[in-house]
Amino acid sequence: SQTIHQWPATLVQPVGSPLSLECTVEGTSNPNLYWYRQAAGRGLQLLFYSVGIGQISSEVPQNLSASRPQDRQFILSSKKLLLSDSGFYLCAWSVQKPGQGGHEQYFGPGTRLTVT
Amino acid sequence: SQKIEQNSEALNIQEGKTATLTCNYTNYSPAYLQWYRQDPGRGPVFLLLIRENEKEKRKERLKVTFDTTLKQSLFHITASQPADSATYLCALDFDGTASKLTFGTGTRLQVTL
Repeated sequence: SQTIHQWPATLVQPVGSPLSLECTVEGTSNPNLYWYRQAAGRGLQLLFYSVGIGQISSEVPQNLSASRPQDRQFILSSKKLLLSDSGFYLCAWSVQKPGQGGHEQYFGPGTRLTVT
Repeated sequence: SQKIEQNSEALNIQEGKTATLTCNYTNYSPAYLQWYRQDPGRGPVFLLLIRENEKEKRKERLKVTFDTTLKQSLFHITASQPADSATYLCALDFDGTASKLTFGTGTRLQVTL
């Protein structure tokens, strides 16, 4: 069966510090991978998605970046955090069938980031 | 740009009744529409998917309808239980290729005894 891991579960970082959140998926190959942010009381905002190694699409211009160094590894980074980066960060994966959509997404447990 | 509207006010219903949640969207219809459940502090969990050419989909006590004329999806939970209390999110797949979803803000459902 497939599993998705995210770490750390919680993180408190000062403004201006760097960030690295990691997500790994097990039990599947060549998945689509996604990073979302959920601010308090708000919906999920898609930040990045990837359909393959080294292929990253950014949905929202910001001081965050994403990388996919391996097939089942997705990393969210920032060089300098802002207060507005606080939120609940979720990684997700879905089955990839080229040219086809309509596949559900499976979410990780999330990382609660507080920027102070 | 596309807007997705879900009732931001919590829906309170009594155990055993049917809960009906609404998802409205603007502009063009998505190729697929999905519903997820999210518990506090956790990631969303997929419940149901419906395609634009489908009117209705069922799974156990859950039913989803999709009306592209009204630009609306309804999500029903029959014989609701306190364990159904959660936030329910609708998500629209406009792209149809990479399963890239746009989520609504969700509606909190509270089922009481």
